Amino acid sequence: QVQLVQSGAEVKKPGSSVKVSCKASGGTFNSYTISWVRQAPGQGLEWMGRIIPILGITNYAQKFQGRVTVIADISSTTASMELSSLRYEDTAVYYCATGSGSSDPIDNWGQGTLVTVSS
Amino acid sequence: EIVMTQSPATLSVSPGDRATLSCRASQSVSSNLAWYQQKPGQAPRLLIYGASTRATGIPARFSGSGSETEFTLTISSLQSEDFAVYYCQHYNNWLYTFGQGTKLEI
Repeated sequence: QVQLVQSGAEVKKPGSSVKVSCKASGGTFNSYTISWVRQAPGQGLEWMGRIIPILGITNYAQKFQGRVTVIADISSTTASMELSSLRYEDTAVYYCATGSGSSDPIDNWGQGTLVTVSS
Repeated sequence: EIVMTQSPATLSVSPGDRATLSCRASQSVSSNLAWYQQKPGQAPRLLIYGASTRATGIPARFSGSGSETEFTLTISSLQSEDFAVYYCQHYNNWLYTFGQGTKLEI
C-alpha cells in the first residue's frame, strides 16, 4: 500500500497562502487519485479537491473553487495543495489521501498537517 | 450539490450492544457510499465501500447496507476499540461529500 508522508505544521497570517506537500512511496503514483481533506478542531471531515496525476485532471469542492490549487509531480511522486487568502477559520488539520481510481473511495491517508492561521 | 446527513449526532451504547448508524443522501447516490472510522488524533480509516463491502482487514462485526438515499452502518457487538466517530461519504467521478459524523460513546 502506498505510504503518504506530509510536510510539517505551519503557522500563517490571515490573507497569506499555505502550501502543504504529500510525498508518496510504494504503489504506482500515477494510477490513483490524490485528495485533500481538512478537519477543523473538533469538527468533521471536509473534502477540498483532488487530482488524477496521470491525467492532470483536478476537481474541487465548490466551497474552495478559486482559493485552492492541487498539483502533482509524477517524477517526484509528490502532491501539493495550496490554499490562498487564508482566514482564521482555515485553521485545521489537512490530510492528503488516495483512492484507487477516479470512481473509488478514499482508502489511504497521510498523517495530517496542522495549519494554524493566526495574526 | 448532494448533502449527506447522518443520524444521530451522538449514540450512547455499551460494549456488547448492537449499534445502528444512519446516513441519508439528499438525492440518489446509487451504491457509491463509504463509511469511515476516526479515533482521536488519528486519520480516518475506511470500513465499508460500495455501501456494503468491507474494506481489507475490517472485522465482520461491521456491516453496511442500503442504496439510493438511505444507508446504514451496523456494528453487531461493540468492542471497546469501536468507540469513535463514524463518517459516511458519497463518492463519484468528480467529488466526495462527507456526512457530519456520528460519535459513538460509552
